[in-house]
Amino acid sequence: GAVVSQHPSRVICKSGTSVKIECRSLDFQATTMFWYRQFPKQSLMLMATSNEGSKATYEQGVEKDKFLINHASLTLSTLTVTSAHPEDSSFYICSATPGTSTGNTIYFGEGSWLTVV
Amino acid sequence: QKEVEQDPGPLSVPEGAIVSLNCTYSNSAFQYFMWYRQYSRKGPELLMYTYSSGNKEDGRFTAQVDKSSKYISLFIRDSQPSDSATYLCAMSLSSSNTGKLIFGQGTTLQVKP
Repeated sequence: GAVVSQHPSRVICKSGTSVKIECRSLDFQATTMFWYRQFPKQSLMLMATSNEGSKATYEQGVEKDKFLINHASLTLSTLTVTSAHPEDSSFYICSATPGTSTGNTIYFGEGSWLTVV
Repeated sequence: QKEVEQDPGPLSVPEGAIVSLNCTYSNSAFQYFMWYRQYSRKGPELLMYTYSSGNKEDGRFTAQVDKSSKYISLFIRDSQPSDSATYLCAMSLSSSNTGKLIFGQGTTLQVKP
């Protein structure tokens, strides 16, 4: 079964509104979670690294005030897309790792499709 | 130049064929190399994970890493229609940063019955 759960799997929102996506680790405590964005027919692009109890680290070109990340507990990270615009429509995927671990223990969620109309 | 280059395909093969998927990369500091399979509108699923140069086999899948050439490959033997998906290579740096992955563009594979 899934060890990382994302919710919602699909969401449609109006332009200008905010939408929150949750990423939960189900079987382990995730000190670090990662948020990726994937446009159609393109690869996953890392947006930010979310660390429990501290501020997220954003990749170059990602607006931290637009994509708010909160990692308040060891099993939950949230991504809030604020003032969403149609160009924010994309597939958002999170991954989680129990800590300093090797690559075979990185778990991905099922992704969340965001459509901004 | 992208850090990781992968031919997007699409690649179409008949059932039973051997499939070869490849990625090249520019950052010699990458140490961990992974292959993920992604079905349409789903999250990626880890297929193979290798550390440093060499081969690794798991069932019908073989992963190769050639660090001197900065080149990695995934071979699928006896390909099945259920293997039709997008295959993404991914890489990361040291063990303390292994959750942060750099992905290739992904190769779309279609295995025809």
